[in-house]
Amino acid sequence: AQSVTQPDIHITVSEGASLELRCNYSYGATPYLFWYVQSPGQGLQLLLKYFSGDTLVQGIKGFEAEFKRSQSSFNLRKPSVHWSDAAEYFCAVAPDGGATNKLIFGTGTLLAVQP
Amino acid sequence: EPEVTQTPSHQVTQMGQEVILRCVPISNHLYFYWYRQILGQKVEFLVSFYNNEISEKSEIFDDQFSVERPDGSNFTLKIRSTKLEDSAMYFCASSGQIEAFFGQGTRLTVV
Repeated sequence: AQSVTQPDIHITVSEGASLELRCNYSYGATPYLFWYVQSPGQGLQLLLKYFSGDTLVQGIKGFEAEFKRSQSSFNLRKPSVHWSDAAEYFCAVAPDGGATNKLIFGTGTLLAVQP
Repeated sequence: EPEVTQTPSHQVTQMGQEVILRCVPISNHLYFYWYRQILGQKVEFLVSFYNNEISEKSEIFDDQFSVERPDGSNFTLKIRSTKLEDSAMYFCASSGQIEAFFGQGTRLTVV
């Protein structure tokens, strides 16, 4: 079945430490891939996206993600986490590409940042 | 910077009542969506809307739900007879090509 998996429900890192949030998808073709962030009580903000081309994409707030076709993964990384990065992070795919453009979301990873 | 706006931010309604959630998408976008997020769960696709008609809907989007673009700027989600399990955060989104921009959401509480 088509799905988006975020295996880590909750991650805690220390401020200044590096971060990697995992995302795997299962679709036949390469879908369009996204990471969104949701701060408490807020909406969804797009961090970055991958459509094609360079497999390492840069986003806002110092985040980057790498698409690995062989692993069907699109992991989110940040070299040095700030306390303000504490939020929930959602990986999403647009499996239909240019059709309806609907997004399928993973279950999210809640990031806590220790001082 | 253009943004998607949703009103109200929070709505409380009694079970069985009709509610209309309102959204103003980004003005030059052509695709519109509604998603919902039940507390503690993932964001789920409800419906997509293009060229004044529904282009796709999920299993969640049953006959109790409807969407409308009544004028050139608003995009609404109507729930005809609310149930307790409709309590959730409802997000509107719009996109031009692929990248979707989300509103801040309407928290619907059915009591």
